[in-house]
Amino acid sequence: GAGVSQSPRYKVAKRGQDVALRCDPISGHVSLFWYQQALGQGPEFLTYFQNEAQLDKSGLPSDRFFAERPEGSVSTLKIQRTQQEDSAVYLCASSPQDTNTEAFFGQGTRLTVV
Amino acid sequence: QKEVEQNSGPLSVPEGAIASLNCTYSDRGSQSFFWYRQYSGKSPELIMSIYSNGDKEDGRFTAQLNKASQYVSLLIRDSQPSDSATYLCAVEYGNKLVFGAGTILRVKS
Repeated sequence: GAGVSQSPRYKVAKRGQDVALRCDPISGHVSLFWYQQALGQGPEFLTYFQNEAQLDKSGLPSDRFFAERPEGSVSTLKIQRTQQEDSAVYLCASSPQDTNTEAFFGQGTRLTVV
Repeated sequence: QKEVEQNSGPLSVPEGAIASLNCTYSDRGSQSFFWYRQYSGKSPELIMSIYSNGDKEDGRFTAQLNKASQYVSLLIRDSQPSDSATYLCAVEYGNKLVFGAGTILRVKS
């Protein structure tokens, strides 16, 4: 597709359940970013990939969060043993360069933990 | 702690007026600054980027940067009801963007 695609758009998980969120970046984009956006707040950085290498994971809130991009294209953000505070919109963005310049965001996955 | 501060608003302006949105940031070493527009329930959309002191104009939008004062602003001329959205200021720190909480803009017809 022409833009960044994320799936699912909505996910309801029971507390303690594991979830996996998928991001298809724009074809050929080198950089991929995951952000978490709570209601009424700006997005907060989670992690950054340059091709298949995860260069920065300093924003991941706990070891329950794990991200991968094994072939340098599609990325998956996994959250284990979900908790209510994980409820947020998870945004993926990609950029053609190794910087944030011209980063394009996907529509996001809204995760609700009940 | 890298911080980006914005007034949450809402900022209400009449149709046709100039809307002025402001942002301050904490790290003097920052070099890249962005304004994103986010409609309710949608993802952020990049509308302006600015890298050097002064003004940058693109259509009805003008971004202003003052690195000495650590201040970025966005002016929207001839505001339209379709400009009603949340405007996010973002500052690049290394590999990441740090966002402000956003300013809600309401343009009333």
